[in-house]
This record gives sequence, structure tokens and C-alpha cells, in this order.
Amino acid sequence: AQSVTQLDSQVPVFEEAPVELRCNYSSSVSVYLFWYVQYPNQGLQLLLKYLSGSTLVESINGFEAEFNKSQTSFHLRKPSVHISDTAEYFCAVSPSGGYNKLIFGAGTRLAVHP
Amino acid sequence: GAGVSQSPRYKVAKRGQDVALRCDPISGHVSLFWYQQALGQGPEFLTYFQNEAQLDKSGLPSDRFFAERPEGSVSTLKIQRTQQEDSAVYLCASSLVGGGNTEAFFGQGTRLTVV
Repeated sequence: AQSVTQLDSQVPVFEEAPVELRCNYSSSVSVYLFWYVQYPNQGLQLLLKYLSGSTLVESINGFEAEFNKSQTSFHLRKPSVHISDTAEYFCAVSPSGGYNKLIFGAGTRLAVHP
Repeated sequence: GAGVSQSPRYKVAKRGQDVALRCDPISGHVSLFWYQQALGQGPEFLTYFQNEAQLDKSGLPSDRFFAERPEGSVSTLKIQRTQQEDSAVYLCASSLVGGGNTEAFFGQGTRLTVV
């Protein structure tokens, strides 16, 4: 079985400051790792994913996440946030050997203030 | 539009009433998932279809929950004799194929409130 823990339910930050959203997972099998974002009144959108290869993955809007197998973590970072990054962020895993059934964390609400 | 469409967006049901939630996946997508998202929580898996076959229903919380996808496209999640604990956002997602590395596309969800 898999589980995902997002250590912070809310993260307030000022515009242009760096941010890190933490995610740890537990699994007895190999997994793929994902970050999804949910903007207000919108559906979940894939932000980035780790499947294999380089442990550092990037999104098109400046976010990056690093897979750390020894610490079973997949923290999300951005060096300088914008007001438009205000959203709910969900970390998720899916077993690498099966279909893409996603196990989500509880989410982190990122609030960017001017 | 070309995305996953869910209807209705909002549903208020009296306790004991039956409800039906509809999902129109992206055309051609083989896999379809239903998730339940309680307030302040992440989505939780309910059930999975590959075409018309329901391959995994391990997440359905009780026998009051039933899902179908008879022609391998549109899916319906039915909840019988709704209870207050059924209040949640119900999300549908589809993907082109079923592999664990395949991106799932989510609809905006149906917010069910049981009063």
C-alpha cells in the first residue's frame, strides 16, 4: 500500500519570495511521483512528474521537484513566487507496475501575498 | 471543449435521496477514474474503468455506491440513499491508456451536499 504525507496544510508567502512545499511518501513498491495544482474554481492539473532518470524535474512555470529515494521525499520548490501561484497543491504517487491509480496527499494551500 | 466534463457541477440532495453524477471523458481515452474529495482532504480513489470494464472498485465506500460505463465512454456514478457523510466533491479523470506513468486529466468535479 502507498501513502502520501504533505507536512504543511497552508503556506503563506510574500510575492517574489522562495517557497518549498514538502511531500513524503511511503510505499512497498516502486512508484511514480506527481504534483498536481488546483487553481480556484478549476480542476486538478498536472504540474510535473517523476517517472525515471534525472531526479530533478521542472515545470514550464518555474516550479521544480527533486526525487529523493533515501528520504522518500518529493518536495516542490520555486525560487520566486507570483500572486498567480496561489492555489492548492497536491502530491501524489501511483504504482509503477500497474495502472495510474493516484494516491494523493491532503494538499497544501499556497497563499501568495503582495 | 476537449477536456473532461462533469455534470451537474453542484447537487443538493436530501438525506435518503438517490443521485446520479455524470462524467464525459476526453474522446478516445481508455481509462476512467472516479475520486471522492472530502473538504480539506486530497482526492481518494473510488473506482477504475478500462473501456467498459470496471477493473477496480476497491475504493467504493459502501454498496450504496455504484458506477458504470456501459459503452466505454460516458460514466455515471450513482449513490443510493444518500447520507450526510457522502457530502464531498466527486472528481472524474480520464487517461489515454492505463499505465502508471500516464497523465490523468481531471474534470472540475461535482460538489454534492446532502442535507
